[in-house]
Amino acid sequence: SAVISQKPSRDICQRGTSLTIQCQVDSQVTMMFWYRQQPGQSLTLIATANQGSEATYESGFVIDKFPISRPNLTFSTLTVSNMSPEDSSIYLCSVTGVENAGELFFGEGSRLTVL
Amino acid sequence: SQQGEEDPQALSIQEGENATMNCSYKTSINNLQWYRQNSGRGLVHLILIRSNEREKHSGRLRVTLDTSKKSSSLLITASRAADTASYFCAPSGGSNYKLTFGKGTLLTVNP
Repeated sequence: SAVISQKPSRDICQRGTSLTIQCQVDSQVTMMFWYRQQPGQSLTLIATANQGSEATYESGFVIDKFPISRPNLTFSTLTVSNMSPEDSSIYLCSVTGVENAGELFFGEGSRLTVL
Repeated sequence: SQQGEEDPQALSIQEGENATMNCSYKTSINNLQWYRQNSGRGLVHLILIRSNEREKHSGRLRVTLDTSKKSSSLLITASRAADTASYFCAPSGGSNYKLTFGKGTLLTVNP
């Protein structure tokens, strides 16, 4: 299984600011995804991070609000832009396994609180 | 990708008892996966069962799949307090590896 490191693990942010979350994987992986988990809710897929090209966003999520980079097969960033209290969530990076059997591996998440 | 629906939404048992949670889905799948999430942490992959499999075991976990009924069940035997977590099923039908998660089953194991 892949080992995934996310930074920061938690942060408290001011309304209107932006924060970038980093996801580092210890091996090259095919697919990387970003999920959001709002308080008391299940996970919602934000986008698929594509290596060397623009991310593929799910319905309801846009690049201006959640710009994503993926410069190589082991690293991705998610920026939450112009934050509001509604953006207070846990943001999770996930990746496919090296053998691409279909399972996903998740980072520990980044818990953001927006005041 | 399609979303599974877990049932029950919450389950409370005593340590040592077995816990069974169910998952239903709507369209045909290639595989179905179960995940665990401890409070506020990342998800942990538990087990993957393929559409041509009917039952799979991993330690104290037993997963069944009935594709005719479009349902799956996860059984945790001899539960422990450390099994307290939310459990999610994720049916997967395509090759894009995207998974969609439902509300999950919150399992509480009381010592």
